[in-house]
Amino acid sequence: NAGVTQTPKFQVLKTGQSMTLQCAQDMNHNSMYWYRQDPGMGLRLIYYSASEGTTDKGEVPNGYNVSRLNKREFSLRLESAAPSQTSVYFCASSALAGALETQYFGPGTRLLVL
Amino acid sequence: RKEVEQDPGPFNVPEGATVAFNCTYSNSASQSFFWYRQDCRKEPKLLMSVYSSGNEDGRFTAQLNRASQYISLLIRDSKLSDSATYLCVVTLYGNKLVFGAGTILRVKS
Repeated sequence: NAGVTQTPKFQVLKTGQSMTLQCAQDMNHNSMYWYRQDPGMGLRLIYYSASEGTTDKGEVPNGYNVSRLNKREFSLRLESAAPSQTSVYFCASSALAGALETQYFGPGTRLLVL
Repeated sequence: RKEVEQDPGPFNVPEGATVAFNCTYSNSASQSFFWYRQDCRKEPKLLMSVYSSGNEDGRFTAQLNRASQYISLLIRDSKLSDSATYLCVVTLYGNKLVFGAGTILRVKS
């Protein structure tokens, strides 16, 4: 089992460019999440999907869109990248959306916006 | 005020030492509590859940004090491999995790 995979691992964008970060999990989990991690700050939730067909905003959704393509895949799109979106992005999944469910994280995507 | 606050460290300790980290959370409605470990440039991984009665997993002991709204992690007999950033995490509702910024631990030989 690969667990949670993310592509790409690294990306450099110019301001105004768009891109999609891909995430897939092979654990048959229902819930999936996108976080960003910035120096000196904890991971912050961007969007999440409690189950296939649903998505909801997290703490910092502005400038992002998501698509829950199917049960396995949850993508994050930056329509017009800004330098403030330079960050490390982590995708995660959990079996259910309950408070005690363990979340499993992907290896992250390091994004630099110039 | 941050929802989850941690001393960023770094804590520099020799092998074999005992080290303790504390974490405070601001929302008394927080439901669940965890410690995650994050190695340099890697993804976070669950270390242990934290229960009101306290719980132990080998060399690691976690405690929760709901009245004072803090969580602690004690590591005994530190190993070089324990060097990492330790993230304090709480959930308010559903499965929305709120992360602290992390405490850096460096274990030296």
